[in-house]
Amino acid sequence: GAVVSQHPSWVICKSGTSVKIECRSLDFQATTMFWYRQFPKQSLMLMATSNEGSKATYEQGVEKDKFLINHASLTLSTLTVTSAHPEDSSFYICSARSLSTDTQYFGPGTRLTVL
Amino acid sequence: KQEVTQIPAALSVPEGENLVLNCSFTDSAIYNLQWFRQDPGKGLTSLLLIQSSQREQTSGRLNASLDKSSGRSTLYIAASQPGDSATYLCAASFSGGYNKLIFGAGTRLAVHP
Repeated sequence: GAVVSQHPSWVICKSGTSVKIECRSLDFQATTMFWYRQFPKQSLMLMATSNEGSKATYEQGVEKDKFLINHASLTLSTLTVTSAHPEDSSFYICSARSLSTDTQYFGPGTRLTVL
Repeated sequence: KQEVTQIPAALSVPEGENLVLNCSFTDSAIYNLQWFRQDPGKGLTSLLLIQSSQREQTSGRLNASLDKSSGRSTLYIAASQPGDSATYLCAASFSGGYNKLIFGAGTRLAVHP
């Protein structure tokens, strides 16, 4: 089956530093990847849609200069949280849409804790 | 505004019970609807995907239905087991934005022995 990986699975950083999270589709190509954020005991909220070779589309209220998204290949998208603050602490989940099945497959998530 | 709502927010049942989780959505122009399972601190496991042209899907003890006219979907779990304890999320995508999944807040299910 289609597998999506995320790295790292968890990260702890100091306030003011930047953190990069990778999302990879391991056995399929994905022109579109999605980044979600999930706060404790809440549901997933779409942050942005990442399209290979073009700029990401951000949802209302998501700062594009704070959450930098790069989708340089058909199997890799990265999310960089710049100048992270404690309120950015959350569970970040990516998904990738398979070209062949038109289905989104989800990664295992990355737990970000900003001290 | 397209919204997805799930009730109840939490459910606790004894092992062996059949149960129903509810999901409602505000836009009848639905493209598809998915049910996911999420264990604490983990990612999502896709359970069932129902296309707009379908009325239900079944996988093992799980059955999901879709009623576009009423804007509702239900997830039926037969003969519940403690291993079914998790949060169940429904997510819908709508025509015109079919890539975008809108999630409900989830139902936290606890099945006790």
